[in-house]
Amino acid sequence: DAGVTQSPTHLIKTRGQHVTLRCSPISGHKSVSWYQQVLGQGPQFIFQYYEKEERGRGNFPDRFSARQFPNYSSELNVNALLLGDSALYLCASTTGTVHYGYTFGSGTRLTVV
Amino acid sequence: LAKTTQPISMDSYEGQEVNITCSHNNIATNDYITWYQQFPSQGPRFIIQGYKTKVTNEVASLFIPADRKSSTLSLPRVSLSDTAVYYCLVGDRYSSASKIIFGSGTRLSIRP
Repeated sequence: DAGVTQSPTHLIKTRGQHVTLRCSPISGHKSVSWYQQVLGQGPQFIFQYYEKEERGRGNFPDRFSARQFPNYSSELNVNALLLGDSALYLCASTTGTVHYGYTFGSGTRLTVV
Repeated sequence: LAKTTQPISMDSYEGQEVNITCSHNNIATNDYITWYQQFPSQGPRFIIQGYKTKVTNEVASLFIPADRKSSTLSLPRVSLSDTAVYYCLVGDRYSSASKIIFGSGTRLSIRP
């Protein structure tokens, strides 16, 4: 079985631009969470979706948005990019609403210049 | 939200047993303790989860005392490939991911 897949793996954007990051969960996993990890820090929670409904939102500005599709894949959108948005963006999936342990993808490395 | 405290870094040698302790004084009755391992430029990898006493799997053991205010991740006979950042998380398994917080982790360095 394929693990959690994220695309693209690397991305360079200019300040003010918009970016869309994509995540495909493990087959059968219905919950997807997004995290931002700045160099040297632990992952910081952005969003969680379960069955296409938002289940949680972290302390991020409205420039960050996400959605989950009927096939349980997910997109994270960030508008009006700032230099401080440069980070590794991680997607994690799990079977349902019980945290037995998330499976993470390898992330998308976003660099804003 | 239960806050966790871990050492910032630890060093050890190949073949040694490594124990990483995490403090979580405000752990709630329904909270579980979960440990993840992360290599550079990769996502965290689930290692082990427990509620009380001792849990063991093929990778590690997790020791949780009766008061549950701390826990210890034990890695037997480490190798160079165990060099990574280790995160201790505490939270209710049925709550949103927003309630399960990653701290800064423990950076473990293994030397030959």
